[in-house]
Amino acid sequence: GDSVTQMEGPVTLSEEAFLTINCTYTATGYPSLFWYVQYPGEGLQLLLKATKADDKGSNKGFEATYRKETTSFHLEKGSVQVSDSAVYFCALTSNTGKLIFGQGTTLQVKP
Amino acid sequence: EAGVAQSPRYKIIEKRQSVAFWCNPISGHATLYWYQQILGQGPKLLIQFQNNGVVDDSQLPKDRFSAERLKGVDSTLKIQPAKLEDSAVYLCASSLDTYNEQFFGPGTRLTVL
Repeated sequence: GDSVTQMEGPVTLSEEAFLTINCTYTATGYPSLFWYVQYPGEGLQLLLKATKADDKGSNKGFEATYRKETTSFHLEKGSVQVSDSAVYFCALTSNTGKLIFGQGTTLQVKP
Repeated sequence: EAGVAQSPRYKIIEKRQSVAFWCNPISGHATLYWYQQILGQGPKLLIQFQNNGVVDDSQLPKDRFSAERLKGVDSTLKIQPAKLEDSAVYLCASSLDTYNEQFFGPGTRLTVL
């Protein structure tokens, strides 16, 4: 069945460092891909998405490119801030529309 | 525009007791989802409704979990009887239709002692 695998956390970075969180997927068909973020004490929020191969999703300085050839959707940000500390989830939509999530990666940014 | 509402926000019960969670989706959203998020894991779909019909309940433990969406608006998820392993955050999400963006509620954190 469809699945998503994310890099293990936690990831600890200093402010202004470069961030990469790896995400790979297995799916039949052509799923849409998403990154969701969960800030402490808050609900899940959509961060960015891409609906077809080679699309780049971007929001709040974060970017991810849908790579069909490597079945990947890695999240990147050039310069992280303390306020980016959160749990990040990679996800895809199955053919029924449900979201299938990775296990989440905790990011901690230190000043 | 109001978001997805859930209640209660927190619930503590003892094993073998029953519990119910309520979700009010965004107005006009036809699709409603219940996800279970166990600590340290990503959310997992329990059940998906399209209006008041069930689209996918393949991962719902039907011996103890039930859900309904009467009139295609609000939804209730029930656990009876609860087990220790049911301790999790239960998330409700809604979308305009099946393949549209899902919006999540704040979740209900359940602790089973």
